[in-house]
Amino acid sequence: GQNIDQPTEMTATEGAIVQINCTYQTSGFNGLFWYQQHAGEAPTFLSYNVLDGLEEKGRFSSFLSRSKGYSYLLLKELQMKDSASYLCAGGAGKLIFGQGTELSVKP
Amino acid sequence: DGGITQSPKYLFRKEGQNVTLSCEQNLNHDAMYWYRQDPGQGLRLIYYSQIVNDFQKGDIAEGYSVSREKKESFPLTVTSAQKNPTAFYLCASSMGLAGAEQYFGPGTRLTVT
Repeated sequence: GQNIDQPTEMTATEGAIVQINCTYQTSGFNGLFWYQQHAGEAPTFLSYNVLDGLEEKGRFSSFLSRSKGYSYLLLKELQMKDSASYLCAGGAGKLIFGQGTELSVKP
Repeated sequence: DGGITQSPKYLFRKEGQNVTLSCEQNLNHDAMYWYRQDPGQGLRLIYYSQIVNDFQKGDIAEGYSVSREKKESFPLTVTSAQKNPTAFYLCASSMGLAGAEQYFGPGTRLTVT
């Protein structure tokens, strides 16, 4: 079957680092996407990993291990505006989305 | 400015009525998608289209219909057969199907009473 799992919610403190994990099991795999979605808004693209390893983009980094079916999104120097839902998505062809991880950043 | 638009932002309908949600893109993307999002849940694929005049059912196509007569447009009709139509509907487009970043429209929040 096809499945993408991520924690439902996480809480972190402003200025801290948080890691959001995602495990996937899909029939075919082209890569792993991470999107950010603020409440009531459209998802916006954060990162795309095709090869194993860490991709860094400013405060956000994303990691992929294809052999383990595992990815994580790392957010550094957390800001209040980072409070949002983070969606993990992957598959071959049409994407399968996880349920999203609701991140709350506290002062 | 290139982008993807959906209208209206909020839509209210009475039960038993069909309603059509619009989605337009000027990104010259071949692929377009419709997703449904319910509170606290991820995106579920309703229909997708890889090319003009062709579309495929997603995971929850029952009670919905689409058309793709033009590359730029991919309207979604929510029919009266959809048992629970109240939701947030998102349209997206991408250059291709495999490994391509999807760009999302702002969404339409449909309320059926």
